[in-house]
Amino acid sequence: AQSVTQLGSHVSVSEGALVLLRCNYSSSVPPYLFWYVQYPNQGLQLLLKYTTGATLVKGINGFEAEFKKSETSFHLTKPSAHMSDAAEYFCAVSGDSNNDMRFGAGTRLTVKP
Amino acid sequence: GAGVSQSPSNKVTEKGKDVELRCDPISGHTALYWYRQSLGQGLEFLIYFQGNSAPDKSGLPSDRFSAERTGGSVSTLTIQRTQQEDSAVYLCASSVDIGQGYGYTFGSGTRLTVV
Repeated sequence: AQSVTQLGSHVSVSEGALVLLRCNYSSSVPPYLFWYVQYPNQGLQLLLKYTTGATLVKGINGFEAEFKKSETSFHLTKPSAHMSDAAEYFCAVSGDSNNDMRFGAGTRLTVKP
Repeated sequence: GAGVSQSPSNKVTEKGKDVELRCDPISGHTALYWYRQSLGQGLEFLIYFQGNSAPDKSGLPSDRFSAERTGGSVSTLTIQRTQQEDSAVYLCASSVDIGQGYGYTFGSGTRLTVV
């Protein structure tokens, strides 16, 4: 079984500052890892994913995440926050079959002008 | 279609009534998933379909909840005798297939309010 812990239900940064959203996972099999973003009154949109290969993955809107097996982490970063990045971010993990994808509780990102 | 379509987008119902929520996945996507998102909570997995088959229904909160999928396409989530605790956003997602780390494409959800 898989599970995800997102540290910090709310993160606030200033525009132009580094964004760091933390995600740790638990998985008994090699994981597939995902970050999704949810804007108000919308569904979730895939930001990026790690399946195999390069551990640093780049996604849309300038976000990237690094898979660190030794730390069981998949933190999401962006060098410079933009006002439009304000949203809810969800980390998710699945095993070798997508029917068991599990989501974290989410982190709400606020960007201050 | 181009994306996952859910209807209605909003539903207000009286306690005790039955409701049907519809999900139209991306054409050709074999896998379909239902999640529930309560206010301030993460996503609670309800059920998934591979084709028309739902191998695991253990995520459904109670026997008042049921789901079906016909023709490998449209899915309906039915809640009977709704209760106030059923109020939530119900999200549907589809995926190319099960496995191999395919990401999900989500619909915009149905916001259900039970009064």
